[in-house]
Amino acid sequence: DQQVKQNSPSLSVQEGRISILNCDYTNSMFDYFLWYKKYPAEGPTFLISISSIKDKNEDGRFTVFLNKSAKHLSLHIVPSQPGDSAVYFCAASLWGGGADGLTFGKGTHLIIQP
Amino acid sequence: DTGVSQDPRHKITKRGQNVTFRCDPISEHNRLYWYRQTLGQGPEFLTYFQNEAQLEKSRLLSDRFSAERPKGSFSTLEIQRTEQGDSAMYLCASSTAGTNEKLFFGSGTQLSVL
Repeated sequence: DQQVKQNSPSLSVQEGRISILNCDYTNSMFDYFLWYKKYPAEGPTFLISISSIKDKNEDGRFTVFLNKSAKHLSLHIVPSQPGDSAVYFCAASLWGGGADGLTFGKGTHLIIQP
Repeated sequence: DTGVSQDPRHKITKRGQNVTFRCDPISEHNRLYWYRQTLGQGPEFLTYFQNEAQLEKSRLLSDRFSAERPKGSFSTLEIQRTEQGDSAMYLCASSTAGTNEKLFFGSGTQLSVL
């Protein structure tokens, strides 16, 4: 049973526009959420995270929103750039980490169109 | 470079052969994880170490798989009697124990079993 779900396998956005990637989770014990970006033949690289005590975290062009009651988070990228084309994974962890580490969604392939 | 290092990057083997992968984590990180990723899926947890102790193993980790982390530094993942279903990207990640844990991934070892 998938505890972290990314229901859009792919998303195409025009350069300069906003990209919104969505993620839902089912385990209410998750309290820390991360987004990773992955290029082909490389490992995932950390992008941005949010703790469950917050509802928004911003880092440059990237903003993550968390809606705990809906068990939903989203990643906003604005403005989108060609280099943002990659697979984006949503991940979640339990307090204190360890154990199973991070639980990942299946990813969303973001394609930025020129 | 002080990132997570994995070797080899690619491995092609015949069914039934044994393979071993190595991971060198970020030096000050005491936690080390192994994940497996197949096409269209997110990384799936296999096992993790805190220092030299292997604290958790996924049920995905059959008894053909064994991991070690002698002296709490580098780690090896061995797969015995490989099967075609073992073909995947094997990812190593490291972190510092604590809340809001961020995993840093290596570039992975791509295994192809013929």
